[in-house]
Amino acid sequence: AQSVTQPDIHITVSEGASLELRCNYSYGATPYLFWYVQSPGQGLQLLLKYFSGDTLVQGIKGFEAEFKRSQSSFNLRKPSVHWSDAAEYFCAVEPNAGNNRKLIWGLGTSLAVNP
Amino acid sequence: DAGVIQSPRHEVTEMGQEVTLRCKPISGHDYLFWYRQTMMRGLELLIYFNNNVPIDDSGMPEDRFSAKMPNASFSTLKIQPSEPRDSAVYFCASSHDSIHEQFFGPGTRLTVL
Repeated sequence: AQSVTQPDIHITVSEGASLELRCNYSYGATPYLFWYVQSPGQGLQLLLKYFSGDTLVQGIKGFEAEFKRSQSSFNLRKPSVHWSDAAEYFCAVEPNAGNNRKLIWGLGTSLAVNP
Repeated sequence: DAGVIQSPRHEVTEMGQEVTLRCKPISGHDYLFWYRQTMMRGLELLIYFNNNVPIDDSGMPEDRFSAKMPNASFSTLKIQPSEPRDSAVYFCASSHDSIHEQFFGPGTRLTVL
């Protein structure tokens, strides 16, 4: 079955430190890949997405992600974390099968930022 | 654009009552999604529509849940009768055929006592 794994349930980093959030997916072909962020009490917002081409994609708020086909991974990175980055981060996969728009979601990683 | 609009933002009801959640998607979007988010189960897709037609309702928990999209600018999710285990945050999201990105509303926090 298709699945998305975010191995880290909760991560705490210090402000200014670098960040990497992991995402692995289980799917035969290369799907469409997404990272969304959810601030407390709010809906989800797209950070970035990968469909094809350059495997390093840039997103909003200084985030980037790298697609590694051999590892079935799509890890999210930020070189210097700000206190406002504290939120829940979700990795999602769209199987890229015709008009099927159903996203497969990871369970999320909660990010806390120490001052 | 005002984004995806959901109402109400908060709903508290008693077990057995009917609950109706409402969603107005972004104008021009042709996909609409209903999600439920809980601590235990994370984010679950309940149903999604394309051009007002339900495409996949495999995530709808049981017959107590129903969703409609009478036109391109309005959708409802109804729970009848409601149960305490339905307590969750319900999100509506919309998307355009060409862009794949889903735009989420602020959610409705439902509490069933």
